[in-house]
Amino acid sequence: GAVVSQHPSRVICKSGTSVKIECRSLDFQATTMFWYRQFPKQSLMLMATSNEGSKATYEQGVEKDKFLINHASLTLSTLTVTSAHPEDSSFYICSASPGRVSYNEQFFGPGTRLTVL
Amino acid sequence: QQQVKQSPQSLIVQKGGISIINCAYENTAFDYFPWYQQFPGKGPALLIAIRPDVSEKKEGRFTISFNKSAKQFSLHIMDSQPGDSATYFCAAVRDDKIIFGKGTRLHILP
Repeated sequence: GAVVSQHPSRVICKSGTSVKIECRSLDFQATTMFWYRQFPKQSLMLMATSNEGSKATYEQGVEKDKFLINHASLTLSTLTVTSAHPEDSSFYICSASPGRVSYNEQFFGPGTRLTVL
Repeated sequence: QQQVKQSPQSLIVQKGGISIINCAYENTAFDYFPWYQQFPGKGPALLIAIRPDVSEKKEGRFTISFNKSAKQFSLHIMDSQPGDSATYFCAAVRDDKIIFGKGTRLHILP
């Protein structure tokens, strides 16, 4: 149980285009979903927290107009990187929790490798 | 106050040996301390976690030792196996925050 999927697993795009990443909880309802960013050989940095049906809460320093998060249902959240640039290239990981802002009980997806040319 | 310091950055252990990774935190408000295992190209997976009211927790070959007064906790992997080769992250959690350590790349020699 507690499986979280992400799609796509890898994406390559041209600079200036937008990319959408999906995060799905497959066997439970995710009240809260988290989005993380991880640079090579670095730790995870929390970008934002989203609760189903409400606006995402962004961490300090994360541009909300660049990283659009939608949590439209209890099983799906999307992260859209708008007008992507090479510095946005990174490993994006989502996690999902059945509780509200419950870091204790979050299940991670397999990640999406974004490369912006 | 928000940092979690993890060491070593990388670790090489012989098969069958004990792997030890240490973390230290500063903020006493943290109340949950998980360890995550991450294989290349994959998301992290929760390995084991502890709360500060317990000094040790063991699950199979994995043990967390927790020293509340020193604000330190460590992961011990007994009888380390090549399949344990991965990056390990400690984290510290409170209601509104999770802070990850920088990670330890563990390599178990066959």
